[in-house]
Order: sequence, then C-alpha cells, then structure tokens
Amino acid sequence: DSGVTQTPKHLITATGQRVTLRCSPRSGDLSVYWYQQSLDQGLQFLIQYYNGEERAKGNILERFSAQQFPDLHSELNLSSLELGDSALYFCASSDVGARGQMNTEAFFGQGTRLTVV
Amino acid sequence: TQLLEQSPQFLSIQEGENLTVYCNSSSVFSSLQWYRQEPGEGPVLLVTVVTGGEVKKLKRLTFQFGDARKDSSLHITAAQPGDTGLYLCAVTDNYGQNFVFGPGTRLSVLP
Repeated sequence: DSGVTQTPKHLITATGQRVTLRCSPRSGDLSVYWYQQSLDQGLQFLIQYYNGEERAKGNILERFSAQQFPDLHSELNLSSLELGDSALYFCASSDVGARGQMNTEAFFGQGTRLTVV
Repeated sequence: TQLLEQSPQFLSIQEGENLTVYCNSSSVFSSLQWYRQEPGEGPVLLVTVVTGGEVKKLKRLTFQFGDARKDSSLHITAAQPGDTGLYLCAVTDNYGQNFVFGPGTRLSVLP
C-alpha cells in the first residue's frame, strides 16, 4: 500500500460529459502529480501541485483542470470528454522539502480507469 | 524528443533466463529511479540510484547508474513469471518539479 488513495477506481461515462477524479496523497506529502496512461502507453505527465499551488504543467488539455485543496487532497476535472480520453489516470505524491528541493521518489495510487463511450 | 529512452520496448523470455533492460538519455541527472508497474496497478518504486557508477542489488535485480549519470541498466537474473510487468525509469526534470518517465520496457516471463 503506497498510502496514496484514488477514487473512483473505475468510471464509465459518455462523450461530452464531465468527471472528477479524486486523490488523497500520502500523509505529510505536499506535492501531488497527475499522469495519464493510455492503453499500452507510458506515463504522460499532466500537472503538479505543491501545497495548494500549481507548480508544473505538462501536456494537459484545456478541457482538463486540477486543483489541490487546503487538506492537500487533489481533484482532476475532465470535461467535454472524448473517446480518446479513455485511459488510466494516476495520482502520485512526493515528500518535497519545505524549501522545495528536488525529491527522488514518487508514490502512486492504484489509478482511476476512465472509459468514455 | 523523449528525455528518456528505454530499450527494448518489449521482451518475452522463458523462466530462468537472464535479461538486461536499458534507460538512456543525453542529459545528466542527479538521480534516477526504476519502477515496476503490473497490469491495472500504479507503478511501484524499485530503487533510486544517485551516484555515477553506483550498483544496487535487490534480490535478483541489479541496477547500475552510468558513470556520467546519463544512463542506467536493470539486470534480472533467473527471471520468474512474477517479474512480468512494465519497467519504467524516471528522473526529476531540470527544475526538480516533476517526474519524467521513460516509455518503459514491457517484460513477459513465460513459465
């Protein structure tokens, strides 16, 4: 058990809809990362939050947004869903120091499998 | 251009064989991680290497960080079906802001 919790585990929705994926990081971790993994593909970095603020952005579509709340949990919002958005969405957390120094390990949740039909 | 390249992309071997997979880049990194991901699960950290030339062993797995800290290898001795999975190398980007993953090597060990 990595200590990172993601809900829901599975989600099936129709094209054009909007969904919210939730992530609770490991206790004490300030940094949360979101990744997308399509079938048989690698992990594509979407976005990172640190202590409530957006820290880095990857190849995240404008239809997608995220936020990190004061209790450090994070949500990834996916809107106007398309068939191609079907994928595994992973959240990871990491213990970045208070001075923001580089971390070396990411702990992943079990992912949310999104199916758009 | 990918920051990290991994080879081979796919590998299918028989139980008991040895194998080596590689992670390469033209950039220098302060550290590099290897993860294993099983189907339907999130990646799990195997090891972090931080020193050029460093070798770390984890049971039948041997990890090496290149002297120039640009590449790494993972060697598995006497592979078992339980080793089946996607092996990913990862580094933090130059700003230390996020983890960048290689495309992975998908290993299948047949009984």
